Amino acid sequence: DTAVSQTPKYLVTQMGNDKSIKCEQNLGHDTMYWYKQDSKKFLKIMFSYNNKELIINETVPNRFSPKSPDKAHLNLHINSLELGDSAVYFCASSQDRWGVGLNTDTQYFGPGTRLTVL
Amino acid sequence: AQSVTQLDSHVSVSEGTPVLLRCNYSSSYSPSLFWYVQHPNKGLQLLLKYTSAATLVKGINGFEAEFKKSETSFHLTKPSAHMSDAAEYFCVVSDRSGNNRKLIWGLGTSLAVNP
Repeated sequence: DTAVSQTPKYLVTQMGNDKSIKCEQNLGHDTMYWYKQDSKKFLKIMFSYNNKELIINETVPNRFSPKSPDKAHLNLHINSLELGDSAVYFCASSQDRWGVGLNTDTQYFGPGTRLTVL
Repeated sequence: AQSVTQLDSHVSVSEGTPVLLRCNYSSSYSPSLFWYVQHPNKGLQLLLKYTSAATLVKGINGFEAEFKKSETSFHLTKPSAHMSDAAEYFCVVSDRSGNNRKLIWGLGTSLAVNP
């Protein structure tokens, strides 16, 4: 009965490779997010999707491309991986519904994916 | 613009003694404020949330936080620390300044609990 799940939990890869991280939520939420946590534990939002529509796109390199096939899934594809991409990536979801005034701001997080680029 | 400052990067307490993790915020709006906890190699868990109701908010695991508008603070407390409380704690404010709301995270406070 996991609420927000991510796969894989660990990902070790070589520089220049392309990889994907998958995220699924079974909470019935409309909004999903991707965060990056660096080695100093600093959390920075990367993307947010509401009902499959991109609503937040922070200054993230074009090598990162989120894809939301449906409301319950938000995957992150990374092209041409670089050493600096090594981090823990967290997926999250919330009930927020943009445009209809439902803003709970409360986000529920997945367990994280630790990406190591060699 | 909204921001949060966690005043201590590391806090160390003895088991059974009180915990105080300090957070100050800056917000042009009536803020929503949160505390999240991250145990080692784990995900982020919501401890508690303030959204303009009662100023004293009770959370899970015996934690609570008090919203003080005059001091722009939202400190996290617990009367008696347990070994399992050792973790990273994040103070978070909701940024309502743009069309798309997002969470602004503090840099975290690492809590160590000594036996």
